[in-house]
Amino acid sequence: EPEVTQTPSHQVTQMGQEVILRCVPISNHLYFYWYRQILGQKVEFLVSFYNNEISEKSEIFDDQFSVERPDGSNFTLKIRSTKLEDSAMYFCAVGRNTEAFFGQGTRLTVV
Amino acid sequence: AQKITQTQPGMFVQEKEAVTLDCTYDTSDPSYGLFWYKQPSSGEMIFLIYQGSYDQQNATEGRYSLNFQKARKSANLVISASQLGDSAMYFCAMREWSGNQFYFGTGTSLTVIP
Repeated sequence: EPEVTQTPSHQVTQMGQEVILRCVPISNHLYFYWYRQILGQKVEFLVSFYNNEISEKSEIFDDQFSVERPDGSNFTLKIRSTKLEDSAMYFCAVGRNTEAFFGQGTRLTVV
Repeated sequence: AQKITQTQPGMFVQEKEAVTLDCTYDTSDPSYGLFWYKQPSSGEMIFLIYQGSYDQQNATEGRYSLNFQKARKSANLVISASQLGDSAMYFCAMREWSGNQFYFGTGTSLTVIP
């Protein structure tokens, strides 16, 4: 069973709409991350979350993005007012100190 | 400066042969971890192996081993006895313990030839 599951696996949304990407870890992890990978490009850090708050975020992670753990289990990434350039694979990752497991990713397509 | 550098955009290896994927890193943090991930064409990111900066021995996980040369700041991944299913993108990543993010290289595309 994977350490972390992401839903949905693929989301198509219209430009300007809001999307919520979900991540469900199966066991106790200390750190949570969101990364994105635009097709054929490198993996880019968005945000890290520790002890129920954002511990680090990149320049990409502007006011359009937000994260939360609404019920102490699920970890969500909300993207408001999506743009065409938000189309990418979004990965959730969870970890302890010496491990970091990625979910299978959500492929977001903004049309 | 790039935190992680992977200089081989593409590599080919004959089935059953060994292959080394290069990774160099840049950090002034004495405490860090190095990770390798495999990304097949389906897109998921699969954790392969971890090496801590204070680990005395090179990490090994089955057919994967990490050739850790601290003084050279390199963490090359060695895959022994390559299989067709090893064809994928491979990413090297680093986490500095003073921070809380992973830095990824640009990846190496490995193709195993039958």
